[in-house]
Order: sequence, then structure tokens, then C-alpha cells
Amino acid sequence: RKEVEQDPGPFNVPEGATVAFNCTYSNSASQSFFWYRQDCRKEPKLLMSVYSSGNEDGRFTAQLNRASQYISLLIRDSKLSDSATYLCVVSRAGTALIFGKGTTLSVSS
Amino acid sequence: SQTIHQWPATLVQPVGSPLSLECTVEGTSNPNLYWYRQAAGRGLQLLFYSVGIGQISSEVPQNLSASRPQDRQFILSSKKLLLSDSGFYLCAWSVRSYYTYEQYFGPGTRLTVT
Repeated sequence: RKEVEQDPGPFNVPEGATVAFNCTYSNSASQSFFWYRQDCRKEPKLLMSVYSSGNEDGRFTAQLNRASQYISLLIRDSKLSDSATYLCVVSRAGTALIFGKGTTLSVSS
Repeated sequence: SQTIHQWPATLVQPVGSPLSLECTVEGTSNPNLYWYRQAAGRGLQLLFYSVGIGQISSEVPQNLSASRPQDRQFILSSKKLLLSDSGFYLCAWSVRSYYTYEQYFGPGTRLTVT
């Protein structure tokens, strides 16, 4: 079983839609959780860290369920510029990050 | 503010040739530094990380090595490249934020071995 699993998509949504990505991780010792965004042929960029109580940054909301080992990212009011690959990431000891393969989002007008 | 530089941006090398990729970080001291590789159609794979000068941990045994000669400099090397070494090489540094370490990536080097 892969350590971090994501639905690869692609998710094709119209502008203004709400879209949710899910991610599961296998190692219960995982301590830190993140969502990164990667545009085509570019480096990944940190979108947000995910905290146990859940957290929101503008149109983006992240949730963590440690009991189910499940992380989610909700994007509201999708914009064309949200089109990218979203990477779910976990860390055990604060050093190495384990990346999922990513979920591709395409927002169309 | 902190910035991370990588060069070159693109590289085409023949099989069997040596490799040296450099990464430098500005605006921070004693960062944790990392080398990742992203092969075509695959996820990011951690290759090496370093918590200080001369301290290197290898995650995946392979045809590559890393060195950290200065606090903010991280170098990835190979003596003889293989076709399977092709990929997108990313350097990252981390900083502690609350109770977690957030990592930030450089612009990457796209390596094609021919």
C-alpha cells in the first residue's frame, strides 16, 4: 500500500464550482500534513499546512481526520487560475516529506 | 525574505557523463536542505537531506551523491549518469512553523540523459 494515496483525477469543473480532493495516508505516526500546488513543469508550492482542528485560507479549506488517516482540501468558487495538480503531503519526524502523486484539477470557463 | 536558487534550469547530458547540480539558499541560517527527484508521470521522491554542514542522509541508494560544503549550499552529484537519472531535480529548504516544518522548493533542474 502506498504511504500517501490520492485520486489522480482529472477533475474537470466549471468556474465557480466547489471541488473537494481527498487523500489517505497509511502511517499512523505521521505528524505533519500539507497541501502543495504544482503547475505544469514548475516546482511545487506550499498551499497550506493542515492542522488538527481544520483550517481555512480564503477559498481553501483543509481538514484532517487522524482517526481515519484522511486529509481533504475543499476549493470554493473555483477560478481558472486554480487549474493545477494538488499534492497531498505527510511528514513523520519533521524532516522528510512523503508526497502523493497528486490530483489534477482543470477549471474551465 | 528567504530565496532558493538552483542551476542550471535545464541540462542535457550523455549517458556515462558526470553531473553536478547546485542549490543555494539566501536569507536564513542553518536550514534543513533536501534533494528530490520527480520522474515523468511519477511523484516526488526524496533523495537526500541534510541538517547541517557535512551531514547527509540518503533515502534511496542509487547512482547519486550529495554534499553540503557550506551552510547554505547543497550539491547533487553523479560520477556516471544513467538513462534512469532523467527527471526534474528539486532542492528544498525547511523552516519550523508552529509545530511543523514547512518546506519550500527551488525552481528545479530538468535533466535529460541521452
